[in-house]
Amino acid sequence: KQEVTQIPAALSVPEGENLVLNCSFTDSAIYNLQWFRQDPGKGLTSLLLIQSSQREQTSGRLNASLDKSSGRSTLYIAASQPGDSATYLCAVRPGGSYIPTFGRGTSLIVHP
Amino acid sequence: DGGITQSPKYLFRKEGQNVTLSCEQNLNHDAMYWYRQDPGQGLRLIYYSQIVNDFQKGDIAEGYSVSREKKESFPLTVTSAQKNPTAFYLCASSIVGQGREDEQFFGPGTRLTVL
Repeated sequence: KQEVTQIPAALSVPEGENLVLNCSFTDSAIYNLQWFRQDPGKGLTSLLLIQSSQREQTSGRLNASLDKSSGRSTLYIAASQPGDSATYLCAVRPGGSYIPTFGRGTSLIVHP
Repeated sequence: DGGITQSPKYLFRKEGQNVTLSCEQNLNHDAMYWYRQDPGQGLRLIYYSQIVNDFQKGDIAEGYSVSREKKESFPLTVTSAQKNPTAFYLCASSIVGQGREDEQFFGPGTRLTVL
């Protein structure tokens, strides 16, 4: 059974820092990996989707990489801002299934 | 604007009462999902549906029921058999099929509280 782990569970940084959030998974036979952002009391917002054949995706200050062989993905946030404060979740969809497995998320606080 | 709507935003249930959470999408997505989110836990799958008139149990289906009579609608009923229903409920949808993006989109959620 696929297991998804996100480290660290919580992170507090000053504004302006470049950040790396980690997502690891146990089964490398994945179809895609998706990164989400969740604000308190809200639904999940899709940030980036990486297909299994891709190595990275970029959107603005966000860059997500995927290394299937090592079972890892990283979300890089450049020049963090207080508005980036949220919980970030990764979800791994295995090959042959429509059901993704979610990590428990990294809670990020960016203070001015 | 395309998206997923959930209603109500807040719902209160008395003991022994059934309640229904609404989920509607206008993204023309085939698959729809219901998740439960509790503090300190990840998202847990309740039910999912790949096509109209078909749905499958997820990891925690006991005490819940669903229907999928229309492509755009996937309501979730929390029955009195669900002993601890207080949680945040999230509905999602995605396109089905190899070679498509299969990106999952979420609604804003419904917070259910048992009185």
